[in-house]
Amino acid sequence: QKEVEQNSGPLSVPEGAIASLNCTYSDRGSQSFFWYRQYSGKSPELIMFIYSNGDKEDGRFTAQLNKASQYVSLLIRDSQPSDSATYLCAVKTSYDKVIFGPGTSLSVIP
Amino acid sequence: DAGVIQSPRHEVTEMGQEVTLRCKPISGHNSLFWYRQTMMRGLELLIYFNNNVPIDDSGMPEDRFSAKMPNASFSTLKIQPSEPRDSAVYFCASSFARYQPQHFGDGTRLSIL
Repeated sequence: QKEVEQNSGPLSVPEGAIASLNCTYSDRGSQSFFWYRQYSGKSPELIMFIYSNGDKEDGRFTAQLNKASQYVSLLIRDSQPSDSATYLCAVKTSYDKVIFGPGTSLSVIP
Repeated sequence: DAGVIQSPRHEVTEMGQEVTLRCKPISGHNSLFWYRQTMMRGLELLIYFNNNVPIDDSGMPEDRFSAKMPNASFSTLKIQPSEPRDSAVYFCASSFARYQPQHFGDGTRLSIL
């Protein structure tokens, strides 16, 4: 089992819809969780981080964390074509490493 | 404020040559990370420095790879000798502390012929 897993996609959603990106992790003691967005040919940029169970909202983005299920998700409301990118989940584990998932490719169709 | 600065942006060289990648972290950031990204393997951590000291180099693939951080504002990643399988995008990232969000540079796209 990989330490951080994501659906590779591509995930396609119509403009204006909600995009749901999922991430699971294997280390139950993981403490911090990050979502990065990476446009093609560009570097990853941080869009959200979450430390506690529950939801965290920032504009059109909502991060959801469920430590019991070892699951973290990112919801993008009112998806725009400019949201088309690869989304990387990163997890800070209990053994002092930050592990990146393979990323999910999102395509928002106008 | 300037972000993480990497140079060169692109490097094309022949197999066997020495390659040096450079990074200037964000001022005030104590942690610096070198990553390699390929389609096959995704984003891989190569080495992490804290306060200029290498803490975790378990991701460095071979002895051909070495990294230094002589001061808080500069780091290098060196490959000697380079091989075609080293072709990838190499990112440098920095953060205020190890588990704080990381800020990435624009990357160096390395092609070894």
